[in-house]
Amino acid sequence: EAGVAQSPRYKIIEKRQSVAFWCNPISGHATLYWYQQILGQGPKLLIQFQNNGVVDDSQLPKDRFSAERLKGVDSTLKIQPAKLEDSAVYLCASSSRSVGPQHFGDGTRLSIL
Amino acid sequence: RKEVEQDPGPFNVPEGATVAFNCTYSNSASQSFFWYRQDCRKEPKLLMSVYSSGNEDGRFTAQLNRASQYISLLIRDSKLSDSATYLCVVSRNTGNQFYFGTGTSLTVIP
Repeated sequence: EAGVAQSPRYKIIEKRQSVAFWCNPISGHATLYWYQQILGQGPKLLIQFQNNGVVDDSQLPKDRFSAERLKGVDSTLKIQPAKLEDSAVYLCASSSRSVGPQHFGDGTRLSIL
Repeated sequence: RKEVEQDPGPFNVPEGATVAFNCTYSNSASQSFFWYRQDCRKEPKLLMSVYSSGNEDGRFTAQLNRASQYISLLIRDSKLSDSATYLCVVSRNTGNQFYFGTGTSLTVIP
C-alpha cells in the first residue's frame, strides 16, 4: 500500500513570499489532515478535511493560510505571505475513519529567511 | 491548560531497562488514544492504539486510566532502536479533533 505522498520535501523562501505544499493521501482515505510541527513541539492541527469538506480549521491562521481538497483526494496548503514564525515542518496525514489512527507523509520542511 | 501534557524528558536508559511514560489529558470527553513514535527528522508513525482494557504488543504495553485521565506506555527490555520521541495523541469524537503532546524523548544507551 502506497503511503501518504508529500512534496516538496524542502522549501526555502524569504519572508513575505508565497509557498504551496501538496499532499496525496493513501488511496481510499476520506479524512485528510494538515499539521504544523515546530522544532521541539508536537504536531499542531491546522485543518482537517472529510472528503472535500472542511471538518475543522479552527487553528488555521486564515489571514495567510489556505487549504483546499477540491476533488476529495489531493490537497494543497498555501501560505501567503510567509512570516518567519512559519518555519516548521508541514505534515500531511490521512485516515480511513475520522477517529482512526493517522498515517503521515514525510513532511515538507519550510525555512523562512 | 493544554489538552495533552507529556514530560518532555529526556529519558536516558541503558539497554535492557524498563521505561515508562505517562501522558495526561484535560478533557474527560476524550474517546480515542494513541502512541506515536517519531524519529529525528522523520514523520510520526503509529506505535499503538490504547484500549480501555489496556493492550500489549511485544515489549510495549499501553494503558488507559480514565478516572485519572492519563495514558501510559511501558517499554520492556529497551533496545537501542527504541531511541526516539514518543508522542501521545488524544481525540474527541465530537469535532473529530486530534491533540498531540509535545513528545517524550528516549535515548537507549549501550
